[in-house]
Amino acid sequence: GAVVSQHPSWVICKSGTSVKIECRSLDFQATTMFWYRQFPKQSLMLMATSNEGSKATYEQGVEKDKFLINHASLTLSTLTVTSAHPEDSSFYICSASQPRNTGELFFGEGSRLTVL
Amino acid sequence: GENVEQHPSTLSVQEGDSAVIKCTYSDSASNYFPWYKQELGKRPQLIIDIRSNVGEKKDQRIAVTLNKTAKHFSLHITETQPEDSAVYFCAASWGNNNDMRFGAGTRLTVKP
Repeated sequence: GAVVSQHPSWVICKSGTSVKIECRSLDFQATTMFWYRQFPKQSLMLMATSNEGSKATYEQGVEKDKFLINHASLTLSTLTVTSAHPEDSSFYICSASQPRNTGELFFGEGSRLTVL
Repeated sequence: GENVEQHPSTLSVQEGDSAVIKCTYSDSASNYFPWYKQELGKRPQLIIDIRSNVGEKKDQRIAVTLNKTAKHFSLHITETQPEDSAVYFCAASWGNNNDMRFGAGTRLTVKP
């Protein structure tokens, strides 16, 4: 099956710093990747849709200037949390779909961000 | 946009019993309905999915049913085992962009 890798798996940073999370499709090209945020004991909330070569589409209520998404290639999308604050602490997960578009999404391992 | 509701939020069953989780969706254009199992701190794992042209699908102890008219679908787990304990999410998506929306999740506990 398709493999999506996410890095880092966990990160601790100081308030006010920026953190970059990478999402890679290892054995397929992903024209579209998705970024989710999951708070403890809650569901996956779609933050944005990342399209290769174009600007990301953000969900309502998600600050695009705070959560910078770059999809520079067909196998890599990055999420940068800028000027992180403790309330940004969460589990961030990316997903990607294969080009044949079966509908199935393949998830990365997730990145746990803790902002002190 | 699509809205997916999931019930119950928690479910506790005795080992060997069956577990049923139900979801409803709002957008009649949705055509793909996966179920994911997520263990603490890990990525969601697809356990079964169903498309809108099918009413039921089964894979060993797991089955999913879909009622397009009523816009609801259910996950059925039979002969539950302690290792089935996890959080289960239903989801719905449509179109070519795989824009998927998740239910709130059900925390299933299987007591040995």
